[in-house]
Amino acid sequence: DIQMTQSPSSLSASIGDRVTITCRASRTINSYLNWYQQRPGKAPKLLIYVASSLQSGVSSRFTGSGSGADFTLTISNLQPEDFATYYCQQSYFAPFTFGQGTKLEI
Amino acid sequence: EVQLEESGGGLVQPGGSLRLSCAASGFTFNSYWMHWVRQAPGKGLEWVSRINVDESNTIYADSVKGRFTISRDNAKNTLYLQMNNLRAEDTAVYYCSRDSSGFYQFIDYWGQGTLVTVSS
Repeated sequence: DIQMTQSPSSLSASIGDRVTITCRASRTINSYLNWYQQRPGKAPKLLIYVASSLQSGVSSRFTGSGSGADFTLTISNLQPEDFATYYCQQSYFAPFTFGQGTKLEI
Repeated sequence: EVQLEESGGGLVQPGGSLRLSCAASGFTFNSYWMHWVRQAPGKGLEWVSRINVDESNTIYADSVKGRFTISRDNAKNTLYLQMNNLRAEDTAVYYCSRDSSGFYQFIDYWGQGTLVTVSS
């Protein structure tokens, strides 16, 4: 199975900050990497697919990059609604594993 | 608007069975592959299973293989997850989700989830 490792596991930031979350796969997954946001008590929401494509309706403050095995999610100009948990997931090969999550806190 | 509504969760004893349903609307259900993903209380997301449009291709996580069965009824726009021989570690919120089903496949929409609790 492909292991997905996110860092950091938690992150504190302030409104207006820019933050970066990293996701590393245990082997190359080309660009089959997706990012999800999950607010407490809610279902996950797709932010970025295929490493860098912004899902329709998602703020342009979210940017994804990377290929191969190393990927990043950058959130610019943090807003109150951005404080949530973020997960990466590889969709290259089953089982379609998720990272352990990164909790973004104020 | 894509809508996915899970049902069928509840409390079940270890070794018991449960069938989850997911009613889909707002898109052409029989054109999309579908997934189940679960989340244990306070934990991260775990992919469970995926099914293609005509049920000819199904895959499972090792943790549920041989115990869970994914299926669908395209006439009813409904996805199912039959869960047998349930264990305490199967306790989780189960999310029904849609696969983008394009050249690049990824989960693009999620339901709100249904809680399954396995306990005596």
